Amino acid sequence: EVQLVESGGGLVQPGGSLRLSCAASGFTFSDHYMDWVRQAPGKGLEWVGRTRNKANSYTTEYAASVKGRFTISRDDSKNSLYLQMNSLKTEDTAVYYCARLGGGGMDVWGQGTTVTVSS
Amino acid sequence: EIVLTQSPGTLSLSPGERATLSCRASQSVSSSYLAWYQQKPGQAPRLLIYGASSRATGIPDRFSGSGSGTDFTLTISRLEPEDFAVYYCQQYGSSPVTFGQGTKLEIK
Repeated sequence: EVQLVESGGGLVQPGGSLRLSCAASGFTFSDHYMDWVRQAPGKGLEWVGRTRNKANSYTTEYAASVKGRFTISRDDSKNSLYLQMNSLKTEDTAVYYCARLGGGGMDVWGQGTTVTVSS
Repeated sequence: EIVLTQSPGTLSLSPGERATLSCRASQSVSSSYLAWYQQKPGQAPRLLIYGASSRATGIPDRFSGSGSGTDFTLTISRLEPEDFAVYYCQQYGSSPVTFGQGTKLEIK
């Protein structure tokens, strides 16, 4: 079964750091671009960033709202995707999803992990 | 950045009716890299349509997408009870990837 499972969410104070993980199974993880998408409580979807595959030099892109604070990485040997979040702000509070880029669009999503930034 | 504007914000219809959801882009979406997602409460989004008009795997044929350039439409030909949800359009042809604000499809 093709599956993505996020972990690492929790409560963190403003200015703090958190690292999210996304474990992939059931497909060849190394072939795919992978994205992070978040959803603030009661709000819509916001793209956070992307990592490309080895064939595309693992290049990354970020939304302006997180650039310089968040870092996306991957470990193809562990079929895992990561999101390192530093200098967290209250507006980063959201459910964070990892998603696989298929032939068109994000065709596989995790169940999400909740990040709450509050003092 | 390409801004996507969805209309209406809320659509109230009955099962069996036809739903038409609109997504307008602030500039042309390259190569029709436009997708539609369905999201139900407490669940992750699900890909319905990619490339503006191609159905994702396992999506019923009552869902169809059309459009090009700046104007796109998601049509649900005959609403089933499980179709009532929030729908988002997304462009993935240029960076940053952007989503519309969503259309809530509710039971009338």
